[in-house]
Amino acid sequence: GAGVSQSPSNKVTEKGKDVELRCDPISGHTALYWYRQSLGQGLEFLIYFQGNSAPDKSGLPSDRFSAERTGGSVSTLTIQRTQQEDSAVYLCASSLGTGNYNEQFFGPGTRLTVL
Amino acid sequence: AQKVTQAQTEISVVEKEDVTLDCVYETRDTTYYLFWYKQPPSGELVFLIRRNSFDEQNEISGRYSWNFQKSTSSFNFTITASQVVDSAVYFCVSLRDYGQNFVFGPGTRLSVLP
Repeated sequence: GAGVSQSPSNKVTEKGKDVELRCDPISGHTALYWYRQSLGQGLEFLIYFQGNSAPDKSGLPSDRFSAERTGGSVSTLTIQRTQQEDSAVYLCASSLGTGNYNEQFFGPGTRLTVL
Repeated sequence: AQKVTQAQTEISVVEKEDVTLDCVYETRDTTYYLFWYKQPPSGELVFLIRRNSFDEQNEISGRYSWNFQKSTSSFNFTITASQVVDSAVYFCVSLRDYGQNFVFGPGTRLSVLP
């Protein structure tokens, strides 16, 4: 596709369940980012992938959060044993590379609601 | 650590008014990058501009203009002759020269009334 896509667009789950959120970056973009946006708040950086390098996980809020990126393309963010405070919009972005002049292109987000 | 402050939580203007969105950043780095993103009601973030710390030249793009002043650590954004379609949340963002931890400000919600 032309842009970053994310699925599902909405996810409602019960507290304690695991969820997987998917991100398909723009073809050819080597950098991929995950952010979390709580209601009425700014974006909180979670994790960053660049090519085959080890990901920057410095933003992950707890060990219940993990992410992987297979084949340098699609990424999955997994939240285990979800809690109500995990409810937020999870945004994925991709960019051409590590150059800091590269803008990020954002997906539409996945709205996660934990009941 | 980097920090971005957008003191204006919400702004309302009437169409055709000019409006300035403030952004103040904190950094100890000599090289850094600043961005503005727009998040319309649809939710998808849209890139507006990027600035390198060593380039203080102001920029104008149509009705948008940016005033970067290192002396005051500010990177303000002005919309001239605002339109209803400008209604959105605007985020100011900073990035260090190394690492990829983009730091977003809390955002300013702009409402342009007809």
